[in-house]
Amino acid sequence: ETGVTQSPTHLIKTRGQQVTLRCSSQSGHNTVSWYQQALGQGPQFIFQYYREEENGRGNFPPRFSGLQFPNYSSELNVNALELDDSALYLCASSARDSEAFFGQGTRLTVV
Amino acid sequence: GNSVTQMEGPVTLSEEAFLTINCTYTATGYPSLFWYVQYPGEGLQLLLKATKADDKGSNKGFEATYRKETTSFHLEKGSVQVSDSAVYFCALSDFGSNYKLTFGKGTLLTVNP
Repeated sequence: ETGVTQSPTHLIKTRGQQVTLRCSSQSGHNTVSWYQQALGQGPQFIFQYYREEENGRGNFPPRFSGLQFPNYSSELNVNALELDDSALYLCASSARDSEAFFGQGTRLTVV
Repeated sequence: GNSVTQMEGPVTLSEEAFLTINCTYTATGYPSLFWYVQYPGEGLQLLLKATKADDKGSNKGFEATYRKETTSFHLEKGSVQVSDSAVYFCALSDFGSNYKLTFGKGTLLTVNP
């Protein structure tokens, strides 16, 4: 049990809509990273937040955005959803420079 | 850029068989290397890691050695169990344990009784 919880577990959206995914980090962790895992692929780094500031970003367009709150929980927002955004979205929390603990993910389907 | 290539699956073994899952990497510097495991319906769990050349990571009977000369980090276990059935991911990071992990595509392992 890692203590990282994500909500919702499953979600179906229509192309062009917007979606917000949520992540509660493990107690004592101040860093949250988001990953996209397409079917049959490994996770790809979207971005990381450290103490409420974006701390690095992967090769994802600006319509992928995020927030980290004072309690270190985080949101991933995706605007103008495309069919290729269908994937498992994973959140990982960590203390600074320590191991990342992953949540179970949110399965997003765009139709 | 960084990349990880791992053995295509699926891999099917009988209980107590020897396991090897190959992993090679491309990186600009001296990355840290990791193996993660994903059990059905669960998130990724760190299985083992190595942070410099010739280091051996080990956990739960699994081992992997950081080979800089061959840019490899192959996962091995001498005797697999049914409970080892899962997807295994090789990964690297230039910046430590929690930043911008680059993953391979994953290898599905099924162990039959």
